Amino acid sequence: QQQVKQSPQSLIVQKGGISIINCAYENTAFDYFPWYQQFPGKGPALLIAIRPDVSEKKEGRFTISFNKSAKQFSLHIMDSQPGDSATYFCAAIGGAQKLVFGQGTRLTINP
Amino acid sequence: NAGVTQTPKFRILKIGQSMTLQCTQDMNHNYMYWYRQDPGMGLRLIHYSVGEGTTAKGEVPDGYNVSRLKKQNFLLGLESAAPSQTSVYFCASSLGGPNEKLFFGSGTQLSVL
Repeated sequence: QQQVKQSPQSLIVQKGGISIINCAYENTAFDYFPWYQQFPGKGPALLIAIRPDVSEKKEGRFTISFNKSAKQFSLHIMDSQPGDSATYFCAAIGGAQKLVFGQGTRLTINP
Repeated sequence: NAGVTQTPKFRILKIGQSMTLQCTQDMNHNYMYWYRQDPGMGLRLIHYSVGEGTTAKGEVPDGYNVSRLKKQNFLLGLESAAPSQTSVYFCASSLGGPNEKLFFGSGTQLSVL
């Protein structure tokens, strides 16, 4: 049972373009939505996180957009760079639920 | 600046063999976790611990056991390895719970043949 559905599985974007990764959830008790970034051969690292009291959070070129009514949240990477090439995981937790991860998106930024 | 350290980095087991994956964190974190990562399935929680001497089951605990005798160490054991346990295993820790930043180790690639 996948509680957080992430799409697309893979994404190729040209340098300077906008990368968009989407996640959807069902459990309305979720109240913390982090994104993790993973480079090959490394463990995931927290990139940015949002709580549902705000609809958007921006840190540098990375923005989380959150739509509570649609139960969706997305990661936008502006001015994508080759160094952003990595696997990205969305996740969610809240209520009595443990932290659950999406399936992951392998992002490739072409120079 | 070690953070979370996992050993070994790679291991090949034969079916039925046993092994222990070791994890150490130097951040005085209370919570520790073991995840497995499989293609197309994200990260799935195997077991976790909220403090020294305590452990609890996660999403996929079958075939694994854990122990946390010291606050900084969290061990994952496979008693009788099966091909379905071929995966990349990650240890992680956090100070106050999974709704805070998780710090991950660099992973253990395990193959069961």
